[in-house]
Amino acid sequence: GEQVEQRPPHLSVPEGDSAVIICTYTDSATAYFYWYKQEPGAGLQLLMSVFSNVDRKEEQGLTVLLNKKDKQLSLNLTAAHPGDSAVYFCAVSVGQGGSAKLIFGEGTKLTVSS
Amino acid sequence: DPKIIQKPKYLVAVTGSEKILICEQYLGHNAMYWYRQSAKKPLEFMFSYSYQKLMDNQTASSRFQPQSSKKNHLDLQITALKPDDSATYFCASSHRDTQYFGPGTRLLVL
Repeated sequence: GEQVEQRPPHLSVPEGDSAVIICTYTDSATAYFYWYKQEPGAGLQLLMSVFSNVDRKEEQGLTVLLNKKDKQLSLNLTAAHPGDSAVYFCAVSVGQGGSAKLIFGEGTKLTVSS
Repeated sequence: DPKIIQKPKYLVAVTGSEKILICEQYLGHNAMYWYRQSAKKPLEFMFSYSYQKLMDNQTASSRFQPQSSKKNHLDLQITALKPDDSATYFCASSHRDTQYFGPGTRLLVL
């Protein structure tokens, strides 16, 4: 079945720098991709969803790149600030509609120092 | 106002007991899910429901039983609790292919 690997597990950047998180997946038929943010003690906040016909998507300081050839999904936080400190998860959707399930990466703990 | 409510937020149980985790969503979604997050494993899918019908079950143990009494409810009953069941359980619901998550119930089994 689909597998998702995420790296790095930990990432520390100074305020104002960019942070890049990368996920690789195995199933070339995967159509939907997601990035979620989890703050301590909280649930998962959806950051961005990307369909497989999109190579690049930008929203509010976040850039998601999808490289279908290499089966790689990346999240770039430009000009990170301390409020971005959290655990970030990539996820891919397997199945459709009500039978879909998300396969998650292991998570990246991002620390942005001021 | 929170759109996906999970109750309780924290739960402590003794080994062998039974607990029910509550999930209600007010997003008007027809599909709901349960996921588990533990220290040992990344977020893992447990169940999916669509229009109150079980669509997928990836939980090996029958000790975990989802229950849907209303379209916007998907509770999770866990029987014969074990310490390994200690985890945070997340409920989610979806519109088309995008899933939105609740705040989670953190379960500790002693």
